[in-house]
Amino acid sequence: NAGVTQTPKFRILKIGQSMTLQCTQDMNHNYMYWYRQDPGMGLKLIYYSVGAGITDKGEVPNGYNVSRSTTEDFPLRLELAAPSQTSVYFCASSYFETEQFFGPGTRLTVL
Amino acid sequence: EDQVTQSPEALRLQEGESSSLNCSYTVSGLRGLFWYRQDPGKGPEFLFTLYSAGEEKEKERLKATLTKKESFLHITAPKPEDSATYLCAVSVGVSGNQFYFGTGTSLTVIP
Repeated sequence: NAGVTQTPKFRILKIGQSMTLQCTQDMNHNYMYWYRQDPGMGLKLIYYSVGAGITDKGEVPNGYNVSRSTTEDFPLRLELAAPSQTSVYFCASSYFETEQFFGPGTRLTVL
Repeated sequence: EDQVTQSPEALRLQEGESSSLNCSYTVSGLRGLFWYRQDPGKGPEFLFTLYSAGEEKEKERLKATLTKKESFLHITAPKPEDSATYLCAVSVGVSGNQFYFGTGTSLTVIP
């Protein structure tokens, strides 16, 4: 099992550009999550999904969109990138409300 | 407002010097408390889940405990490979899908 995979590992965007962060898990977990982690701050929940076709907002959803068309994939879309979205993004999955398994992260810089 | 606070922010220990990390929380409807370890440049790695006051979990040199207001991660006779950032998180809400993370304790174990 690869676990949770994220692509890309690194990305630099210009202000106003858009991009999609990819996340895939092969553990057949029904719950998936997106977090951002800023230096000196805890992980902040952006969006989560409890199954295909179902998504909901977390603590910091503004500026982001998600979709969940399959159990395995949970992409995060950034529209009109802003410097405030410079962060490390982690995707995670879990079997219901149990422990989460995290991917290796995507380091995003918006200039 | 749901809040998770970890202390100390940073801790330096000599190899073999036992200590404890604290995670205090003020949340409504606690569903579970989670401890993770995060190495530099990597995603968090699950350590423990605690669900009710009085519960304890152990794994090698680590032991996690939970009260109604806080959790402790006890590290007994630490080794340099235990150096990492330790994160505490709580899940709240009816469905337990809202997760709040603390900012972590950075542990350095000196040989």
